[in-house]
Amino acid sequence: DIQMTQSPSTLSASVGDRVTITCRASQSISHWLAWYQQKPGKAPRLLIYKASTLERGVPSRFSGSGSGTEFTLTISSLQPDDFATYFCQQYNNGPTFGPGTKVDVK
Amino acid sequence: EVQLVESGGGLVQPGGSLRLSCAASGFTFNVYDMHWVRQVAGKGLEWVAAIDTGGDTYYPDSVKGRFTISREDAKNSLSLQMNGLRAGDTAVYYCARGLGYCTRASCYVCFDNWGQGTLVTVSS
Repeated sequence: DIQMTQSPSTLSASVGDRVTITCRASQSISHWLAWYQQKPGKAPRLLIYKASTLERGVPSRFSGSGSGTEFTLTISSLQPDDFATYFCQQYNNGPTFGPGTKVDVK
Repeated sequence: EVQLVESGGGLVQPGGSLRLSCAASGFTFNVYDMHWVRQVAGKGLEWVAAIDTGGDTYYPDSVKGRFTISREDAKNSLSLQMNGLRAGDTAVYYCARGLGYCTRASCYVCFDNWGQGTLVTVSS
């Protein structure tokens, strides 16, 4: 199985900050990576797929980059609605998820 | 608007069975592969089953032989029959629409719409 790791596990930030989350795969997954946002008690929401393609309706302050084994999710200017947990997921070989990064208030 | 509504969760003893259902609306159900994904409280997510538009099914080793996914396109409905339940199966179970495809080798899919989830607790 392909293992996914994320860093940091928790990130404390303020509204307006630029936020970057890193996701690494245990082997190359090309560009087959998705990012999700999850708020407490809610289902995950797809933000980005194929490493950098923004899902319809997702604000443009979210962006994704990377290929191979290292990927990043960037929020260009953090908004109050963005405090949440973010998961990456590879789908190069069987869907597997990262452990999540919680973005909380600094 | 795409809607996925799960039901059927609850408390079950180890070794017991439970059947989850998912009612879909707002999209053409029979042209999408459908999936179940679970989340242990406060932890990560795990894909547990898939069914493609032709009715072929796919499972990870952790549930193979114990879980059975099925669909009824005429009713826009997805189900997950869970047998031989273990404490480790305790989780919130989500119904999800797939973006991608599955083959005999693997599933190459992410999930573009999710239900609100239903909690399954396996405990004596």
